[in-house]
Amino acid sequence: GENVEQHPSTLSVQEGDSAVIKCTYSDSASNYFPWYKQELGKRPQLIIDIRSNVGEKKDQRIAVTLNKTAKHFSLHITETQPEDSAVYFCAASRSKLVFGAGTILRVKS
Amino acid sequence: DTAVSQTPKYLVTQMGNDKSIKCEQNLGHDTMYWYKQDSKKFLKIMFSYNNKELIINETVPNRFSPKSPDKAHLNLHINSLELGDSAVYFCASSQNLGVSHQETQYFGPGTRLLVL
Repeated sequence: GENVEQHPSTLSVQEGDSAVIKCTYSDSASNYFPWYKQELGKRPQLIIDIRSNVGEKKDQRIAVTLNKTAKHFSLHITETQPEDSAVYFCAASRSKLVFGAGTILRVKS
Repeated sequence: DTAVSQTPKYLVTQMGNDKSIKCEQNLGHDTMYWYKQDSKKFLKIMFSYNNKELIINETVPNRFSPKSPDKAHLNLHINSLELGDSAVYFCASSQNLGVSHQETQYFGPGTRLLVL
């Protein structure tokens, strides 16, 4: 079955810097890759997603890139703000969502 | 106007008890899910239903039994609760646009279950 690995497990950045979170997946048939943000005590919420027919997608300060050949995808957050502090989960799906273990992002002001 | 709602929000109970968690979505979605998030924040799918039909049943103990009375509701009943069942249980829903489980999933607020 699908296995998703996510790195780093924790990431601390200074406000205004960029943050990058990387994921690799094992099932080459997976073709949907969402990213979820979960604030402390709250529900996961989709922030961006990408499908396998697209290499890159951007939404304001957030971008996702996908390399299908290498089976990895990354989340890029630019100009980080304290409110970006949360746990970020990547996921891959062929027939069900399989999540990575999460990255705790801390943005220091 | 909550899109996906769950009750109760908190559940504290003794080992061996039976408990239920209810989930409702008013988004008109066809597919609903149960996820378990353990103490290390790992999020794993347990079940999914599409139009009241069971689609995914992960390797979950038989003590867990989902029930979908209609496509807007998906409940989770847990028998003989064990310490290891302590976790946050999230319900989610998505629209089925013909591509299995590849549409945005909207999560409920979670039910924090603590088994003593």
